[in-house]
Amino acid sequence: KQEVTQIPAALSVPEGENLVLNCSFTDSAIYNLQWFRQDPGKGLTSLLLIQSSQREQTSGRLNASLDKSSGRSTLYIAASQPGDSATYLCAVEYGNKLVFGAGTILRVKS
Amino acid sequence: NAGVTQTPKFQVLKTGQSMTLQCAQDMNHNSMYWYRQDPGMGLRLIYYSASEGTTDKGEVPNGYNVSRLNKREFSLRLESAAPSQTSVYFCASSKTKSRTSGSYNEQFFGPGTRLTVL
Repeated sequence: KQEVTQIPAALSVPEGENLVLNCSFTDSAIYNLQWFRQDPGKGLTSLLLIQSSQREQTSGRLNASLDKSSGRSTLYIAASQPGDSATYLCAVEYGNKLVFGAGTILRVKS
Repeated sequence: NAGVTQTPKFQVLKTGQSMTLQCAQDMNHNSMYWYRQDPGMGLRLIYYSASEGTTDKGEVPNGYNVSRLNKREFSLRLESAAPSQTSVYFCASSKTKSRTSGSYNEQFFGPGTRLTVL
């Protein structure tokens, strides 16, 4: 059974800091890995999708990496802003389904 | 394009009542999904539909039924609601896309339905 773990569960940083969110998964037989953002009381917004054949994807201040062999992914956020405050969810596509981690709650203080 | 829409946004039920959650997408996606999200946990798949006319169980299907009415609509029914079904329910849809590095499925989510069962 595929299990996805996100560390830390919560993170509070001052504005301007660079930060890393971690995601690990137990079975490396994944098709892709997707990072989502969820604002309180809202749905999920897709941030980045890394296919199993890729090592990383970048969008603006966000960079996501994937190491399938070790079962790890990281989401790097550069120069954090208060508007980045949200819950970040990692999900792996496994057997034609998405398996989610519990998320990291990020707070960026101004 | 509205993307993925869900109705209702909020609902309160008494134990034993039934209701149907509605989901529709206007992106011409083949696959649709229903998830539930509980505090401190990630989203868990209830049911999914890979194409019109097909449905399959996910991780937590007990107590739910689904109908893929047509390509656009995928409904979730609670026949006899229980307090354990208090949750936020999300509908999603996806379509296979292609990059130079290969094909992939990217899921798009609706805003969710907050359900409380008393």
